[in-house]
Amino acid sequence: GAVVSQHPSWVICKSGTSVKIECRSLDFQATTMFWYRQFPKQSLMLMATSNEGSKATYEQGVEKDKFLINHASLTLSTLTVTSAHPEDSSFYICSASPGVLDTQYFGPGTRLTVL
Amino acid sequence: GNSVTQMEGPVTLSEEAFLTINCTYTATGYPSLFWYVQYPGEGLQLLLKATKADDKGSNKGFEATYRKETTSFHLEKGSVQVSDSAVYFCARTDGANSKLTFGKGITLSVRP
Repeated sequence: GAVVSQHPSWVICKSGTSVKIECRSLDFQATTMFWYRQFPKQSLMLMATSNEGSKATYEQGVEKDKFLINHASLTLSTLTVTSAHPEDSSFYICSASPGVLDTQYFGPGTRLTVL
Repeated sequence: GNSVTQMEGPVTLSEEAFLTINCTYTATGYPSLFWYVQYPGEGLQLLLKATKADDKGSNKGFEATYRKETTSFHLEKGSVQVSDSAVYFCARTDGANSKLTFGKGITLSVRP
């Protein structure tokens, strides 16, 4: 149990375009979903926390207008990277948690490359 | 604030060697503690967790004990395998919600 999927697993796009990444909890309802960014050989940096039906809470330094997060249902959250630039190239990972104090379960990640 | 400190890596061991990866955390609140593993090209997988002092988490031969007196959660395995080669992250919650703070991660390479 506790499986989280992400789609796509990798994406290559041109500079200036927008990219949407989906995160789904397959066998549980996720009250809270988290989005992380991971640079090569570094730890995960939390970008934002989203609760179903409410606005996401962004970490300091993360541009909310550039990284749009929607958590419209208890099994789906999306991250849209708007007007992507090469510096946005990274590994984006989502996680989902059934409740406020519950364990986070991570998706397999999405590799974004912006040309 | 909350933080997690992991020993510097990388670590290279021969197969069947004993493994210890150190992790300490800041003593704020009542955190839960976790070890996550990331295999090459994949996302993070929960390896084990402990939710209160003196709890021992265990999975796949790995163990870690939540020690409040030393604010530590060191990961151990008695006999590593080549398939254990991965990046290991220690993490904690802040106690009030499930928001995680990660250590920097350490790369383990196991030679045949």
